[in-house]
Parts: sequence; structure tokens; C-alpha cells
Amino acid sequence: ETGVTQTPRHLVMGMTNKKSLKCEQHLGHNAMYWYKQSAKKPLELMFVYNFKEQTENNSVPSRFSPECPNSSHLFLHLHTLQPEDSALYLCASSRSTGGTPEKLFFGSGTQLSVL
Amino acid sequence: QKEVEQNSGPLSVPEGAIASLNCTYSDRGSQSFFWYRQYSGKSPELIMFIYSNGDKEDGRFTAQLNKASQYVSLLIRDSQPSDSATYLCAVSPNAGNNRKLIWGLGTSLAVNP
Repeated sequence: ETGVTQTPRHLVMGMTNKKSLKCEQHLGHNAMYWYKQSAKKPLELMFVYNFKEQTENNSVPSRFSPECPNSSHLFLHLHTLQPEDSALYLCASSRSTGGTPEKLFFGSGTQLSVL
Repeated sequence: QKEVEQNSGPLSVPEGAIASLNCTYSDRGSQSFFWYRQYSGKSPELIMFIYSNGDKEDGRFTAQLNKASQYVSLLIRDSQPSDSATYLCAVSPNAGNNRKLIWGLGTSLAVNP
């Protein structure tokens, strides 16, 4: 039990579908993150929320839409994705976004396949 | 472009040996350095972080930082088969700013019984 729960674990969707990834953390953290992990590429930071406010958007295409209703929940809404979006999507949380070295707690990830 | 480089491996060591994993970074202003372990099919988990030159030890793990040479390494003593995983190096441009972490591709370690 990592304290960060992601659902679903696996997702297969067509390019015209709309789906959402969900992340919940039970650690009392204030910062939450979405990362993308693809084969032969380093971890890519997508979005960061600190105290429910988005503080980072790393030029992510608009077909990915994050939502953070409170400090414990984070969603990633997906629509009209492309096959190259197939990857492992990881949610993470930390006490805050910086100031002192902060440990990131990762969820188990959602393995996404876009057909 | 700021980069973090790691030898992708696989690095193969016999059980009980010392495994040495290396990471170099391009941004001379980097302040904090992290080692994460990722088992196959699992998510990354933090092993250690270091931000001062020299060595930092935690059990069988030792992180070594040399800012002048822009490298950070992770030594695993008495390697066990359970240490077989991919080790990710992450570098932050300032004190622990998680928004700016730059990640390496990871080094795959195989510890053979």
C-alpha cells in the first residue's frame, strides 16, 4: 500500500473515446502530479497541482485535461487521443512542491493503450 | 537542454557483490539529487537523496555526489537478487523543487544468485 491509489490499472481506448484516470492519495499531501512514462524515454512531468492550484503544465496537448477538486484527488481526462499517447501514466504526491528535498510517492500507474 | 544521463545497462552483478550505478547531469547549478528504484511493472520508489558533496549512507546503499565533476552515483553493497530493478536518477535545479525534476532513463540492474 503506497498511499496513492490509481484507477484503472489498465485502459484500452479508441481514438474517439473519452475516458478519465483517477488518483487518490491518503497521505495528507498538498501536491499532486501526473507523469507519463514511455519506453526509451525519461519520466515526463505533465501537470503539477499544489494546494489544488495548477502550478505546472509542461506544454501538454489539450487532449489531456487535468482536474484537481481537492488536495486528495486528481483526475486526468482523456479525449481524442493518438496512438503515440500509449504509455504508463503515473500519479504522484508529495507534502509540497519544494523548499527541501521532497519524496515523491507514486501510485501503481495506469497502463494506457490507444488503438 | 538540461539532461541527466545514465547507462541503460543491463548491469549484471553476482549476489553479494557491490553494484555501482552512475549518473551525470548537464546543469552545473543542480542542487538536489535523487535515486528511485522501479521494479518491473511497478512504480518508482525513493531510495535516497543527496544534496551535499561527498557520501551519504543508508544501510546497504551509499549515494556519492561530486558537483565539480557533475556526477552522482549509487553503490549497493552485498547485492541481493531482490535489488534487481531499474534505478532512476533525478536531478533538481534547486533545493528539492519537485516541479523541475529532470529524470534519467534509468539503469537496469540484475543481481544473479
